[in-house]
Amino acid sequence: AQSVSQHNHHVILSEAASLELGCNYSYGGTVNLFWYVQYPGQHLQLLLKYFSGDPLVKGIKGFEAEFIKSKFSFNLRKPSVQWSDTAEYFCAVRTGFQKLVFGTGTRLLVSP
Amino acid sequence: DTEVTQTPKHLVMGMTNKKSLKCEQHMGHRAMYWYKQKAKKPPELMFVYSYEKLSINESVPSRFSPECPNSSLLNLHLHALQPEDSALYLCASSQGRGMDTEAFFGQGTRLTVV
Repeated sequence: AQSVSQHNHHVILSEAASLELGCNYSYGGTVNLFWYVQYPGQHLQLLLKYFSGDPLVKGIKGFEAEFIKSKFSFNLRKPSVQWSDTAEYFCAVRTGFQKLVFGTGTRLLVSP
Repeated sequence: DTEVTQTPKHLVMGMTNKKSLKCEQHMGHRAMYWYKQKAKKPPELMFVYSYEKLSINESVPSRFSPECPNSSLLNLHLHALQPEDSALYLCASSQGRGMDTEAFFGQGTRLTVV
C-alpha cells in the first residue's frame, strides 16, 4: 500500500526565512503529487500539483516543489515566508482509482 | 464555481441518534470522496464514489453509510456512533476516473458525538 511521510512535524521560522518541507512516498508506479495547505479554521486548499513533465512545479503564493523520482520525494519550498503562511501543510499522493493519501502534515508557525 | 458545499457545518449527536451529512458540487465531477480528519491528524480516506458507484470502502464500520443519489450529491448517513467518531468529516470531488486531476475539498462538518 502506498504511504506518504512528512518528516518535519513542526517548523518554526521567522518572517523572510526560507522554507523547505520534506515529503517522501512509497509507490513504484505512476503517481500524482500534491501539496495542500490548511489555514486555521479553513478548508484544505491546493497549493500545487505535479502530474507529469517539468519536475519543478510552481504553485500559488510563491510556493514551488520539486519532484525527484529517484528519491521518491516531492519537497515544498518557499524562498521567503510570511506570517500569513502559518498553517498546516499536507503532502498527498494519488495512485490509481482516485485513492488520494495524505502525509501526516507539517505545522508551520511563522513569527513576525 | 469550484466549490464543494457541506452541510451542516457543525453537528452534535447522541450515540442513539441517526443523522446525515450532505455534500454538493456543481463542477461536473464524477468522483466524490468522504474523508475523516481527527484533530492534528491528516485526512483519512473513508469512501470513494466513481460515477455514482461505490468504488472504495476503506474498511469503514457499518455505522457509517454513504450514499450518492446523483452525480452532484453525496451523503453520509450516521447511526449509533461512538464518541471516538467525533472528528471533522471532509467531502471532496474530482473529475472522473483518470489520473491528472485534483481534488477539491469542502469546509467539512465538525461532528461531536456525545
